[in-house]
Amino acid sequence: AQSVSQHNHHVILSEAASLELGCNYSYGGTVNLFWYVQYPGQHLQLLLKYFSGDPLVKGIKGFEAEFIKSKFSFNLRKPSVQWSDTAEYFCAGRSPASSASKIIFGSGTRLSIRP
Amino acid sequence: DTGVSQDPRHKITKRGQNVTFRCDPISEHNRLYWYRQTLGQGPEFLTYFQNEAQLEKSRLLSDRFSAERPKGSFSTLEIQRTEQGDSAMYLCASSPKTSGSYNEQFFGPGTRLTVL
Repeated sequence: AQSVSQHNHHVILSEAASLELGCNYSYGGTVNLFWYVQYPGQHLQLLLKYFSGDPLVKGIKGFEAEFIKSKFSFNLRKPSVQWSDTAEYFCAGRSPASSASKIIFGSGTRLSIRP
Repeated sequence: DTGVSQDPRHKITKRGQNVTFRCDPISEHNRLYWYRQTLGQGPEFLTYFQNEAQLEKSRLLSDRFSAERPKGSFSTLEIQRTEQGDSAMYLCASSPKTSGSYNEQFFGPGTRLTVL
């Protein structure tokens, strides 16, 4: 079955630390992958997405993610976090072959940044 | 504000009551989605409309749940005979349809349902 896994439920970092949030997916064939962010009190919004091509994807606010097909991973990274990055981060996937619509989300990782 | 809007933002109801939520998508977006999010989990897909046609429904959508999008614009999600397990955040999202590749889904603020 298609699934997306995020193993880090809560990550606490100090400002300026480097960030890597893990995401693994279980899809056969072509997959579209996403990272969404939800800042406190705000809507879910798209950070970045991977469809095809360059496996290193750059998103907003200095975030990037790398699609590693052999590891079924799509980890989110940022070299130096800020207090304003405190939020919940969701990895998500979609199989274009099976549905034109449905996105499957991971359970989320809460990121807390100490000022 | 031209984003996705949802009403109400919060709803508290007693078990057994019916509730209805509304979603207004971004204008000209002809795809509309409903998701449910419980505490500590990511959003789970419930159903999807393209214009007024409901094209996909999750097995999570029991017989007590019904969604409509009668004119292809706003949508309603009704839950009949609510149960405590229905307590969750109900999210709506919309996206435009163009030929070829997928388009981003834009999410609304959600309706938080509490069933007592």
